[in-house]
Amino acid sequence: GIQVEQSPPDLILQEGANSTLRCNFSDSVNNLQWFHQNPWGQLINLFYIPSGTKQNGRLSATTVATERYSLLYISSSQTTDSGVYFCAGGGTSYGKLTFGQGTILTVHP
Amino acid sequence: EAGVVQSPRYKIIEKKQPVAFWCNPISGHNTLYWYRQNLGQGPELLIRYENEEAVDDSQLPKDRFSAERLKGVDSTLKIQPAELGDSAVYLCASSLGAPRETQYFGPGTRLLVL
Repeated sequence: GIQVEQSPPDLILQEGANSTLRCNFSDSVNNLQWFHQNPWGQLINLFYIPSGTKQNGRLSATTVATERYSLLYISSSQTTDSGVYFCAGGGTSYGKLTFGQGTILTVHP
Repeated sequence: EAGVVQSPRYKIIEKKQPVAFWCNPISGHNTLYWYRQNLGQGPELLIRYENEEAVDDSQLPKDRFSAERLKGVDSTLKIQPAELGDSAVYLCASSLGAPRETQYFGPGTRLLVL
C-alpha cells in the first residue's frame, strides 16, 4: 500500500509566523486530503487536492502529483491553528485513504 | 447541514465485554467509513461502505469486529469480545462518493478497555 511521510513531526511557532508542512507519498495518488485535528480530537477537512493549488483564507495547499508530494502553507498563524495536521492519500482504490503520522503544531501567543 | 453524528462519545468497559458504536452520516452521503486512531498516530481504515455494501473490509479484524450498514444510512461497529489493545478512538466518516471523495469525520468514540 501507499506509504505517507509527513514532516516536520513537531512545529512550534509564535503567533503571526508562517509555516510549511510537507507530505511525501511512496506511490502515485489520485485522492489527497489535508486535515486538521483540533485539541478536542475533531478531524476537519481542509483541502481535497490531488493536484494543483488551492487557497482558503490563511491556508493554502499545493500538490505536485508527478513528484509525489504535497505542501500545506499556514500564514499569519493563530493560536487556534494549534493541533495535529494530517495528510492522507489514496491510489486506485477510491476512498481508501492512508494517513501520515501527522505534524503537531503549537502556536504560542 | 448536520455533520456526522457518533455515539457514544466515551465508553469504558472491561476486557472480554462487548461494545458497539453507532454512526449517522451526513444526509445524502453514500459512502461511509470506520477508522481506528491509536494514540499519537493517524487514523487507519477499518471498513468502507458504498451504500449497504462493504467494499473494503480488508483491515477489519474479523474474528472480533463486525459492522453493518442496514438501509445504507446508519452504521454500527461492534467488538466482541474487547481486548486491552482495542483501546483507541473509533472514527466514522462519510463522503458523497467517488469522484467527490472529500471525507467528513464525526467526533469519534473514545474507547478504554480495562
